Amino acid sequence: RKEVEQDPGPFNVPEGATVAFNCTYSNSASQSFFWYRQDCRKEPKLLMSVYSSGNEDGRFTAQLNRASQYISLLIRDSKLSDSATYLCVVNVLRSGSRLTFGEGTQLTVNP
Amino acid sequence: DGGITQSPKYLFRKEGQNVTLSCEQNLNHDAMYWYRQDPGQGLRLIYYSQIVNDFQKGDIAEGYSVSREKKESFPLTVTSAQKNPTAFYLCASRSGSTETQYFGPGTRLLVL
Repeated sequence: RKEVEQDPGPFNVPEGATVAFNCTYSNSASQSFFWYRQDCRKEPKLLMSVYSSGNEDGRFTAQLNRASQYISLLIRDSKLSDSATYLCVVNVLRSGSRLTFGEGTQLTVNP
Repeated sequence: DGGITQSPKYLFRKEGQNVTLSCEQNLNHDAMYWYRQDPGQGLRLIYYSQIVNDFQKGDIAEGYSVSREKKESFPLTVTSAQKNPTAFYLCASRSGSTETQYFGPGTRLLVL
């Protein structure tokens, strides 16, 4: 079983739609959680950290369910510029603060 | 500008050749990391270093080597022992006070 599993995608949605990505992690000792965004042929960039109480940043909302080992990202009012691959990332706080990356879910927002 | 730089952007390797990818950061970060990304796949950790003159193997270290002689620099050598080196190589760094990693723009390595 993979340590971090994401919706396989791809997702194709119209502008203005609401889209949700799901992610599960296998190690219950996982301590920190992130969503990164990666544009085509570019480096990943931090979108937001995910906190236990859930957190929101503009049109983006992240949720964490530790009991179910589940993380989600909700994007409201999708923009064309939201088209990218979204990576779910988990830190198990092993030596060196190593991050484990999901394979990513590709989103295309269409006009 | 503060940040992480990687060079070259594209690198071509001939059969049996060792090549070195550069990673430099001026963020004063203690920890640095090297990842490999293959098409349609997630990032896999090659090597990481928490402090100068110290580094540890990641999940796919075979065929790679690193050094950390300076805080700012963490070069990765892809040796001839790495039989399938074609990939996108990403360097990242992290401040000691957070767990967030910041990435350089990457180097695409192609085998001729």
